[in-house]
Amino acid sequence: EADIYQTPRYLVIGTGKKITLECSQTMGHDKMYWYQQDPGMELHLIHYSYGVNSTEKGDLSSESTVSRIRTEHFPLTLESARPSHTSQYLCASSLQGVNEQYFGPGTRLTVT
Amino acid sequence: KQEVTQIPAALSVPEGENLVLNCSFTDSAIYNLQWFRQDPGKGLTSLLLIQSSQREQTSGRLNASLDKSSGRSTLYIAASQPGDSATYLCAVTGTASKLTFGTGTRLQVTL
Repeated sequence: EADIYQTPRYLVIGTGKKITLECSQTMGHDKMYWYQQDPGMELHLIHYSYGVNSTEKGDLSSESTVSRIRTEHFPLTLESARPSHTSQYLCASSLQGVNEQYFGPGTRLTVT
Repeated sequence: KQEVTQIPAALSVPEGENLVLNCSFTDSAIYNLQWFRQDPGKGLTSLLLIQSSQREQTSGRLNASLDKSSGRSTLYIAASQPGDSATYLCAVTGTASKLTFGTGTRLQVTL
C-alpha cells in the first residue's frame, strides 16, 4: 500500500480565505504531482515537481501555488479561495524512472 | 495534445459476469499506461501498469492489454463481484512523466 497522505480530507471555507492543502509521502519519491478533479469529470494535472526546489505548472491553469522545500512534502496553497475553487484535489508521487504514480486519498474542498 | 477516451461511460452487470472496459488514446508516444480504480469520494488505487514495451499485465481477476500502435487498451475483469463496483480510470504517461486521464467507466455489479 502506498504511503502518501493528504490533510485535511474535507474542508469547507468561506470566500477570500487563504488555505493550504498538505501532501506528504514516506516512500522517498522524487516526483510529486497535484491533480484537480471536478465531480464526474476527469483528473487534470495542475502542478508537478521533479525534486526539491523544482515546481512546474501542469496542463490545467490554476490560481494555486506549490512549494517543494523537502522531498517528502508538497503543499498546495490558495491565497484567496473562491467558489470556483470548489473541487477535489489529489496528490500523487512516483519514483524517478519508474513512472508509476501513487495517489493520496484526496482533499475535497468546498468554498462558500 | 494527448486525448484519452473510455467506453462505455457506465456499465451495469450481474455478479459473476466477465466484462471488458475499453480505453483509447490519440498519441501512441507513451511510456506506459495505468489502470486505476476510484471509489466515490476517494483517491485512486493503481490496479495495473503496462510499460510501452509490454502487451499485457495480469493481477488476480484483472487482465490489461495494450496495443500501442493502434492506441488501445482493454481491462478485462473476470467473474465480477459487487465489490468491483467503482469508477475505472485509464491514464497514459507521456512526456515529462505527466499522466493524461480518461473520463472513466462507472461500473456497477449487481447481486
